[in-house]
Amino acid sequence: DTGVSQNPRHKITKRGQNVTFRCDPISEHNRLYWYRQTLGQGPEFLTYFQNEAQLEKSRLLSDRFSAERPKGSFSTLEIQRTEQGDSAMYLCASSTFAAGNYEQYFGPGTRLTVT
Amino acid sequence: QQQVKQSPQSLIVQKGGIPIINCAYENTAFDYFPWYQQFPGKGPALLIAIRPDVSEKKEGRFTISFNKSAKQFSLHIMDSQPGDSATYFCAAGLTGRRALTFGSGTRLQVQP
Repeated sequence: DTGVSQNPRHKITKRGQNVTFRCDPISEHNRLYWYRQTLGQGPEFLTYFQNEAQLEKSRLLSDRFSAERPKGSFSTLEIQRTEQGDSAMYLCASSTFAAGNYEQYFGPGTRLTVT
Repeated sequence: QQQVKQSPQSLIVQKGGIPIINCAYENTAFDYFPWYQQFPGKGPALLIAIRPDVSEKKEGRFTISFNKSAKQFSLHIMDSQPGDSATYFCAAGLTGRRALTFGSGTRLQVQP
């Protein structure tokens, strides 16, 4: 399968715990995005990488959230001191570097439940 | 402030019907308008996208109509099938900013 992959697919954690999600983009894609989707809503942008550089962060990305893409390949999203309001589907997407290319391809997501 | 408004919230059509989903945007700088299809438990899948320099684009049974002056665009699904039952999201993108702004989604049910 050459699509975007995300692990784990589901995560249940207790409030206050830290969690980390991983995203593996399509192999030739330089750009990687994280979105959050709550039930009944569209995805909301969190952050974006071009290669290993984090170029944009949403106001939704509080200080408890941190994302990395250390070698310009896979990325991790960590949430510290989780809160019940963090319960959502966390989606990763990737795209190529071609100028004017906006086509983003999404992974299956990681569903986080904070109890 | 919601920048992309999508309607209707839900839609039921009979097999073979032509569901139409509408989106309106506020930021005239948006220059890329994709539609995504999402099945339960899956990530959104890119269906079709349009730029504001064309008024219509067709790919298979899916057609986007774009009205730049009205700041509106819509998705038409020709000869709809039960397998098209899913949630559809419109989105908008802006040159120089890689984030997509999504609508709130339309849950489509195609009855056999």
